[in-house]
Amino acid sequence: GNSVTQMEGPVTLSEEAFLTINCTYTATGYPSLFWYVQYPGEGLQLLLKATKADDKGSNKGFEATYRKETTSFHLEKGSVQVSDSAVYFCALSEKAAGNKLTFGGGTRVLVKP
Amino acid sequence: DTGVSQNPRHKITKRGQNVTFRCDPISEHNRLYWYRQTLGQGPEFLTYFQNEAQLEKSRLLSDRFSAERPKGSFSTLEIQRTEQGDSAMYLCASSLGTVTDTQYFGPGTRLTVL
Repeated sequence: GNSVTQMEGPVTLSEEAFLTINCTYTATGYPSLFWYVQYPGEGLQLLLKATKADDKGSNKGFEATYRKETTSFHLEKGSVQVSDSAVYFCALSEKAAGNKLTFGGGTRVLVKP
Repeated sequence: DTGVSQNPRHKITKRGQNVTFRCDPISEHNRLYWYRQTLGQGPEFLTYFQNEAQLEKSRLLSDRFSAERPKGSFSTLEIQRTEQGDSAMYLCASSLGTVTDTQYFGPGTRLTVL
């Protein structure tokens, strides 16, 4: 079956530091890949997505590239802010499986001023 | 467009009681998904609907769980004879059902079973 593995947190950074959260996946077909973010006290929000190999998703300074050869979708941001403190979830979906999402366990990121 | 809404936001119940949650999707979204999220974990798929048809149920969804979407709009998730292990955040998401689907999530219903 499908699965998503992401690095465990918490990740603690200083403001303006570089952030990387690793995500790898296992899928039977050709999935779409997503990063969702959950800010404190709020619901899940889509951060970015990529639907095919070599696509790059980007939003709010975050980027992730769909790497089929390494089955990875690592999330990066060049200069984090305190407001980026949240839990980040990597996820995949497959059309053949009703597009239901399979999530990783989440990575908590804490950015200190 | 007011987004996906869920009610109630919090529910505290005693073991053995029945509870029902409601989800109102984004209008014109024909797919509706239910997920469950326990503390410190990622959401896990429970079931989904295409309009009023329930197309898939996870093995996580025991016989005590039932979901409906009677007119292809809002959905309800009922848990009968609740157990302490049912304590979790129940999330609803909706989408247009296109090939490269994007699901939009509601704020969730937090269930605590005492």
